[in-house]
Amino acid sequence: DAGVTQSPTHLIKTRGQHVTLRCSPISGHKSVSWYQQVLGQGPQFIFQYYEKEERGRGNFPDRFSARQFPNYSSELNVNALLLGDSALYLCASSLTPSYNSPLHFGNGTRLTVT
Amino acid sequence: AQSVSQHNHHVILSEAASLELGCNYSYGGTVNLFWYVQYPGQHLQLLLKYFSGDPLVKGIKGFEAEFIKSKFSFNLRKPSVQWSDTAEYFCASWGTGGGFKTIFGAGTRLFVKA
Repeated sequence: DAGVTQSPTHLIKTRGQHVTLRCSPISGHKSVSWYQQVLGQGPQFIFQYYEKEERGRGNFPDRFSARQFPNYSSELNVNALLLGDSALYLCASSLTPSYNSPLHFGNGTRLTVT
Repeated sequence: AQSVSQHNHHVILSEAASLELGCNYSYGGTVNLFWYVQYPGQHLQLLLKYFSGDPLVKGIKGFEAEFIKSKFSFNLRKPSVQWSDTAEYFCASWGTGGGFKTIFGAGTRLFVKA
């Protein structure tokens, strides 16, 4: 089975631009979460979506938004990019948004903001 | 705010040495704890988990972790490391108070010398 796939793998943007990152979950997984991993730190929770509804949101500004589509794939959007948004963005899928439903991570999208 | 702390950011060991990576969590109630591993060039993957019951849990590749409630700790151990254990290890806790999130520590980079 295919794992979690994320696109693009790398992206370079300029301050003030917006970006859209995409994620396809493992087949059968209805829950998708997004994490930001800054160099030297662990992943930080951004959003959780289940059955196309936002179920959780981390401490990120409103410039960050996301959505989940009927096929359970997801997009993460970031507007008005700042240098500090440079990071690895990870998508994780699971069967359900429960502690006992293991997260399966993609390889991430490396975003560089210049 | 709920947090997870990892004591060592970088660890260097020789093959066959014993490994113990420290992890402390901040929440005093019921906890659900995880260790994730990221091998070079690969995605994050679950190593082991603790929800309840026997505080000594075993994971893949010979790893184990011990939950000590009185110390708020969940240390990862392996009796004899191999070169292939070179990776970054993340301790994590399921977030309480809603949000369906996993809270990660900053990670420990382990390098095993052949």
